[in-house]
Formats: sequence, C-alpha cells, structure tokens
Amino acid sequence: QSALSQPRSVSGSPGQSVTISCTGTSSDVGTYKTVSWYQQHPGKAPKLMIFDVSKRPSGVPDRFSGSKSGNTASLTISGLQGEDEADYYCCAYAGRYTFVFGTGTQVAVL
Amino acid sequence: EVQLVQSGAEVKRPGESLKISCKPSGYTFTSYWIGWVRQMPGKGLEWVGIIYCGDSDTRYSPSFQGQVTISADKSISTAYLQWSSLKASDTAIYYCARSDGVAILDYWGQGTLVTVSS
Repeated sequence: QSALSQPRSVSGSPGQSVTISCTGTSSDVGTYKTVSWYQQHPGKAPKLMIFDVSKRPSGVPDRFSGSKSGNTASLTISGLQGEDEADYYCCAYAGRYTFVFGTGTQVAVL
Repeated sequence: EVQLVQSGAEVKRPGESLKISCKPSGYTFTSYWIGWVRQMPGKGLEWVGIIYCGDSDTRYSPSFQGQVTISADKSISTAYLQWSSLKASDTAIYYCARSDGVAILDYWGQGTLVTVSS
C-alpha cells in the first residue's frame, strides 16, 4: 500500500487558480469514488475539504472543487486567497476498510 | 456539536508501553468508525488504522499491523491507540478522527504528541 503521489508544492497569486493532482492506482483512486481532501495549517489538525471526489462539507467555500479521471484525482482552488496557504492531502479508500494518504502538497500564495 | 478530545502529550522511554485516548461527543459513538493518523515531525499524514465503535471491528494499515493496537470502550465512549514497546521512531503527533469507514474523516481531534527518547 504505497502513498498516493502529489506534487511537493504549488503556488499562485491571489485570485488565481491552482490544481493539485493525486495519483494512485487501479486498486485505490481508480476503483472507488471515495477520494477526500484535507487542508492542514501549521500546528493545526487537518480539516476535511472535499469528500466522495467532488462533494464539499457544509462551510467549505465553493472555490474548492474536486474531480477524478482514471487513477488521478485533483483538487482545484479557484480565486486563491491568503488563508488558503496550507498543506493539502488527498486520501483514498483502498478496500477492506483501509485508506491511503497522499504525500502532501504545500500551497503557497505569492 | 461534534468534538473529539484527545489525551495530553506524553514523553516516554524506548521500550515503555503507552495508551492514548480519544473521546468523542456530539454524536452516537457506536454508529461510526474512529480512525487514527500519524504525523511524524515535519512529515505527512499516514493512516494507522480504524475501528468500528459499534462492534470493535478493527483494520490496520500494513505498515502498522502488529506495531500498535486500536481498541474502543463503548461503556465510556472512548477509543484508544496503544503500544506495548515504544521505539524512538514512534515519535509523532497522533490524530483520531471520526469516519464513515470509507475515506471520509470528517471531524478530527486536536492531536496527541508522543515523544520517545532515552
């Protein structure tokens, strides 16, 4: 069970859009419609931002969106804001009640 | 309001045992899973394992199988993560989170810092 692959960092100016990829295999991302994304600010617990590939929990701004194609899921942040600067992790179901996280991506707002 | 409150920071010696706790409130304990996640210093999130609090059905990441034990006590609505013999490499923050059992971790505890040092 290897970690899902994410870019180490992405950056953008305020108002721009950034997209973070999350590449797995046909045993996890490619099979199940249960990819979630988490935001983590330094020293804080992670926060659920997207679940079931593209659904947003109540209270998460609609500038966060998710999608999936084949073995790769993506998180897009539109209209980037300073408060979006954080680490982001994807997580996928891998069957038999097991999960796997991505390697994490640091988002910088320039 | 759903909350998960974890036990406080621990400092232990290699070889010692440890049990940390996670006490949820604001929902029916036995209707959800509780997952445990490790974050080593300066590193990413790693899934440790998960327990269904209704019947204690437990699943582990292959990386943690045999290294830790996850349990739950329905009578006091508390989940646990324990080690029988700690190693320096167990030094990390450990988070608990409520789960539906299929990759949604919707509410998280504040984390418990475990430091193992001689």
